[in-house]
Amino acid sequence: NAGVMQNPRHLVRRRGQEARLRCSPMKGHSHVYWYRQLPEEGLKFMVYLQKENIIDESGMPKERFSAEFPKEGPSILRIQQVVRGDSAAYFCASSPGLTSGSPYEQYFGPGTRLTVT
Amino acid sequence: AQTVTQSQPEMSVQEAETVTLSCTYDTSESDYYLFWYKQPPSRQMILVIRQEAYKQQNATENRFSVNFQKAAKSFSLKISDSQLGDAAMYFCAYRSAISVNYKLSFGAGTTVTVRA
Repeated sequence: NAGVMQNPRHLVRRRGQEARLRCSPMKGHSHVYWYRQLPEEGLKFMVYLQKENIIDESGMPKERFSAEFPKEGPSILRIQQVVRGDSAAYFCASSPGLTSGSPYEQYFGPGTRLTVT
Repeated sequence: AQTVTQSQPEMSVQEAETVTLSCTYDTSESDYYLFWYKQPPSRQMILVIRQEAYKQQNATENRFSVNFQKAAKSFSLKISDSQLGDAAMYFCAYRSAISVNYKLSFGAGTTVTVRA
């Protein structure tokens, strides 16, 4: 059973460009979380999604950031018009639904390191 | 909102010795989960151990054990017989068991160095 997949692992963007980060949850997992880790800091929650629904986006910056988890395909975190302050590691985690497995455990992907030049 | 505090930015331990990492949290909820995650230089987040707040017994996973003090809102991690591979950043995390939102709240982390 493959783990949580994230791609790309490293992404370099110039200021003003768009960044698209992808996350494929573990098989059978229907919950996806995105976290951001700034240098020398802990992970900060950004957004929680279930298939085709955003459940909680309270950690997302109000502008330029958006996330989706379509019925088919990976979850996407999109950052428009990137700025230097967006440079960070972005982690995706997934968990199963309430009726299966250990719903309280989140399994993390390897992260995408975004560098804005 | 829940706050997780790790007051030790760095800890150093001799190989084969024991080190204890501290974590405190602030919550008004009675039911929740607590976790310790390890982040080695590869940056992969690895779950080390978890504790359910309703359980009195402290969790143990091989050389890793916790001291969970619910009244004090304290959740420390003890690493026994430290190995070079234990060198990493360790994060304490909180998750509500009541809310339908399962987001994790993390502390700032403690960097553990293991001396050979």
